[in-house]
Amino acid sequence: AQRVTQPEKLLSVFKGAPVELKCNYSYSGSPELFWYVQYSRQRLQLLLRHISRESIKGFTADLNKGETSFHLKKPFAQEEDSAMYYCALGVGGYQKVTFGTGTKLQVIP
Amino acid sequence: ETGVTQSPTHLIKTRGQQVTLRCSSQSGHNTVSWYQQALGQGPQFIFQYYREEENGRGNFPPRFSGLQFPNYSSELNVNALELDDSALYLCASSETGKNTEAFFGQGTRLTVV
Repeated sequence: AQRVTQPEKLLSVFKGAPVELKCNYSYSGSPELFWYVQYSRQRLQLLLRHISRESIKGFTADLNKGETSFHLKKPFAQEEDSAMYYCALGVGGYQKVTFGTGTKLQVIP
Repeated sequence: ETGVTQSPTHLIKTRGQQVTLRCSSQSGHNTVSWYQQALGQGPQFIFQYYREEENGRGNFPPRFSGLQFPNYSSELNVNALELDDSALYLCASSETGKNTEAFFGQGTRLTVV
């Protein structure tokens, strides 16, 4: 069975500091990994996915199959990055998506 | 282009009752997935519908059932409600295919008392 672990419930950083939100997964096949974000009073939305290898709002994430990780990184945090971030694993052609428990990112001005 | 809409936004039910939640998918999307999000947890996959048929299911009992209609809108039905069913229920729609983005609704907050 697949599992996604986000070890930090809350991550507080100062504005301008680097950010790394950790995500580890457990899956025996080829995973499809995503990061979703939920800003205050907004709906859950896709931030980025590993297959597209793109940078969104300055965030990047690299899939490390050896360490089974997909950490989300940004070199300089901004106040508008404060939100809830969920790592997710898709299997079976995305028929089933498993989410982690989420990390709340708080950027301190 | 309209987004994913869910109704109602809030609902209170008594243990043992039945509930139906509704979801209108985004224009052009033919796949709908339902998730349960308990407080402090990430969304948990319930099931997915494609072309009016169930197309994948998570670890939820049979009293969780669904429907998808020809216009791709969907319903989630829960029978014999239990207190632990209290959660935010999310609907997400997408187009068919592997590399498509799922768009989420705002959710329905269900409270079972």
